[in-house]
Amino acid sequence: DAGVTQSPTHLIKTRGQHVTLRCSPISGHKSVSWYQQVLGQGPQFIFQYYEKEERGRGNFPDRFSARQFPNYSSELNVNALLLGDSALYLCASSLGPLRNIQYFGAGTRLSVL
Amino acid sequence: AQSVTQPDIHITVSEGASLELRCNYSYGATPYLFWYVQSPGQGLQLLLKYFSGDTLVQGIKGFEAEFKRSQSSFNLRKPSVHWSDAAEYFCARGSQGNLIFGKGTKLSVKP
Repeated sequence: DAGVTQSPTHLIKTRGQHVTLRCSPISGHKSVSWYQQVLGQGPQFIFQYYEKEERGRGNFPDRFSARQFPNYSSELNVNALLLGDSALYLCASSLGPLRNIQYFGAGTRLSVL
Repeated sequence: AQSVTQPDIHITVSEGASLELRCNYSYGATPYLFWYVQSPGQGLQLLLKYFSGDTLVQGIKGFEAEFKRSQSSFNLRKPSVHWSDAAEYFCARGSQGNLIFGKGTKLSVKP
């Protein structure tokens, strides 16, 4: 069975641009979470979606937004990119929103120049 | 606020030696706890989890962890380290459906 897949693998953008990252969960999983991992740090929670509804939001500015589609895939959008947005963006899927194991994709490496 | 602390940023052990990586979590209701491993440029792979019950949990690749409520700890252990275990290890606790991670411990293995 396919695991969590993320695209693209790598991305280079300039300040002020917009970016869209995509995630396909494990088949049967209905919850998707997004995390940001800057170099040398642990992942930080950005969003969780379950059944197309936002179930949780971390301490990130409104430039960050996300959505989940009827097939449970998800997009993370970041507007007005800053240099500090350079990071590995990880997507995780789980069966449900609470007390479930989260399985991670390989991530999208975003570099903002 | 809930938090996870991994006191050791970098640990080096010899191949074949035993390993213990420390993890402490902030006080709260019975936590559910995880250890993940991340190889360079990769995502996170789940090693083991604790939700409830037996406080000694077994995971993949020969790893185990022990939950100690009195010490707010969930340390990861392996009796004999292999060169392929070199990676970064993250302890995490569940919180309202999302995960709170420690800053990670980088493990280097000497031949």
